[in-house]
Amino acid sequence: DAKTTQPPSMDCAEGRAANLPCNHSTISGNEYVYWYRQIHSQGPQYIIHGLKNNETNEMASLIITEDRKSSTLILPHATLRDTAVYYCIVRSTSGSARQLTFGSGTQLTVLP
Amino acid sequence: DGGITQSPKYLFRKEGQNVTLSCEQNLNHDAMYWYRQDPGQGLRLIYYSQIVNDFQKGDIAEGYSVSREKKESFPLTVTSAQKNPTAFYLCATLNLQGRYGYTFGSGTRLTVV
Repeated sequence: DAKTTQPPSMDCAEGRAANLPCNHSTISGNEYVYWYRQIHSQGPQYIIHGLKNNETNEMASLIITEDRKSSTLILPHATLRDTAVYYCIVRSTSGSARQLTFGSGTQLTVLP
Repeated sequence: DGGITQSPKYLFRKEGQNVTLSCEQNLNHDAMYWYRQDPGQGLRLIYYSQIVNDFQKGDIAEGYSVSREKKESFPLTVTSAQKNPTAFYLCATLNLQGRYGYTFGSGTRLTVV
């Protein structure tokens, strides 16, 4: 599975959009991009995933570049409760249970 | 409710003692995982299992042991050989046939006293 690179921290004003970038330059054709977030002392929570098209759900939007080497998670109207560590990972759906690497993620702090 | 149950939420252990962390799932997911998380750090894989009675070491398996006697359960034993066991432990499952990602439990915080 491809490795990912994320900035260690970001701030965002409450009510504004939070844009969290992720680089995955070695991603292969059958690997999906997944985003999770972890609020302090809880288990990570699934947010969204995508292959090559942009995706949107009730939590966020995922924008994947045409070459698939990077992506951006967008929280359209950040609230204080969105303060968390956000993890970007890539995974093949080939059926293998091969381990994934969770890096240190991005600590998003939403400021009042 | 479908989900993952990790117990206990908080656990204290004396040095030199073994302790077992429980992870039970009713999601019918094939694969199960144990991760360790230290303060301010990402998740590191301890062990994972794709099918019953089979499991593989992750990046930091030394001092830990697991079993997978049934699909629903994947207990983790922290042995006395683990020199620095104080950490937050997370169990996760994965449906290998689906495109959705991991489901995580709520975690167990282990403290050695």
